[in-house]
Amino acid sequence: DTAVSQTPKYLVTQMGNDKSIKCEQNLGHDTMYWYKQDSKKFLKIMFSYNNKELIINETVPNRFSPKSPDKAHLNLHINSLELGDSAVYFCASSQLGEGGAFFGQGTRLTVV
Amino acid sequence: EDKVVQSPLSLVVHEGDTVTLNCSYEVTNFRSLLWYKQEKKAPTFLFMLTSSGIEKKSGRLSSILDKKELFSILNITATQTGDSAVYLCAVGTNAGKSTFGDGTTLTVKP
Repeated sequence: DTAVSQTPKYLVTQMGNDKSIKCEQNLGHDTMYWYKQDSKKFLKIMFSYNNKELIINETVPNRFSPKSPDKAHLNLHINSLELGDSAVYFCASSQLGEGGAFFGQGTRLTVV
Repeated sequence: EDKVVQSPLSLVVHEGDTVTLNCSYEVTNFRSLLWYKQEKKAPTFLFMLTSSGIEKKSGRLSSILDKKELFSILNITATQTGDSAVYLCAVGTNAGKSTFGDGTTLTVKP
């Protein structure tokens, strides 16, 4: 069983489109995250959700909106995609204060 | 602003060598320091350190934290080609925020 799963793994889309990436974890963790890894491999946190409440919102454009229907899911919706949004997006989960975050396999987003 | 600095940025060694990777940090309300290994895909969790001076060990990998001097090291002994990866250090705060360093790219040659 996959602990943290993201779909899709690859996403190619045109500028201006709206897209969503889904994430699900079956670890029973209380906190989920979205990270962006750019072409230089720098990993930056975008959002984290704890018990369905946003606890960190890094300075990302408001075109990015996380949506958490329940504790096991944290989806990422992106409006009006731009070229600079091209990156690998990782979902992760952890039990806040205990152990490290477990990462999904990533979604490679390419905006053309 | 929270800051995590890893060094060196890249390292090339031969199989059997021992390597030490460094991570220094400046964060508000430190909670934990975490090490990850990233090969082609997602980072995989290695260690979480919360207390100074207590070594965590897993096989040939070990890590220790110094909360006074604000740094951690990750040691890999008897390196193998399978250890080639990017090693990431992340620092977590009491507010639940994680800041990652830029990583150390380790290449182990046969």
